[in-house]
Amino acid sequence: GENVEQHPSTLSVQEGDSAVIKCTYSDSASNYFPWYKQELGKRPQLIIDIRSNVGEKKDQRIAVTLNKTAKHFSLHITETQPEDSAVYFCAAIQGGSARQLTFGSGTQLTVLP
Amino acid sequence: DSGVTQTPKHLITATGQRVTLRCSPRSGDLSVYWYQQSLDQGLQFLIQYYNGEERAKGNILERFSAQQFPDLHSELNLSSLELGDSALYFCASSVGGTGTRETQYFGPGTRLLVL
Repeated sequence: GENVEQHPSTLSVQEGDSAVIKCTYSDSASNYFPWYKQELGKRPQLIIDIRSNVGEKKDQRIAVTLNKTAKHFSLHITETQPEDSAVYFCAAIQGGSARQLTFGSGTQLTVLP
Repeated sequence: DSGVTQTPKHLITATGQRVTLRCSPRSGDLSVYWYQQSLDQGLQFLIQYYNGEERAKGNILERFSAQQFPDLHSELNLSSLELGDSALYFCASSVGGTGTRETQYFGPGTRLLVL
């Protein structure tokens, strides 16, 4: 099955700085990679996703890059704000008819004012 | 609000008991997924249903079972509960298929506490 590793587990940045979270996956057949933001006690919320036929995707301050050869993908948040503080999870979906998510272990991002 | 609803929000029960968690997917979504989130295990996939049929199984214990009904809502049944079953249980739904149809939207979760 798929295995997703996520680093770092905690990340503190100053407001206005950039934050980068990295994930690697094991199954070369994986073809869809979403990122979720989860605030304490709340649901995971999709913030951006990328499919394997694309190398980069951007949505305002958030961008995701994918390197299929190296089997890793990264989340980039620019101009961080205190409301960006949360746990971020990367995930991967394998190819095939079953579309379950395999999650990374999460990164606690703290943006210091 | 993702459009996915879950009931109850909180559940407190004793070891050995049985509980049922309920999920209603977003309108039009055919796939329902159940995930367990605990402090030491992170977010783990349990089971997926698509249009009433089981599609995939993950790390779901034999004491747990699920089903999806004709109206597409789903129930997760947890029996012979143990202390270690205490966790947040999330349901997610997607249209089903690939491309944009596979984006999963999560419900608010049910927090289960087994005493």
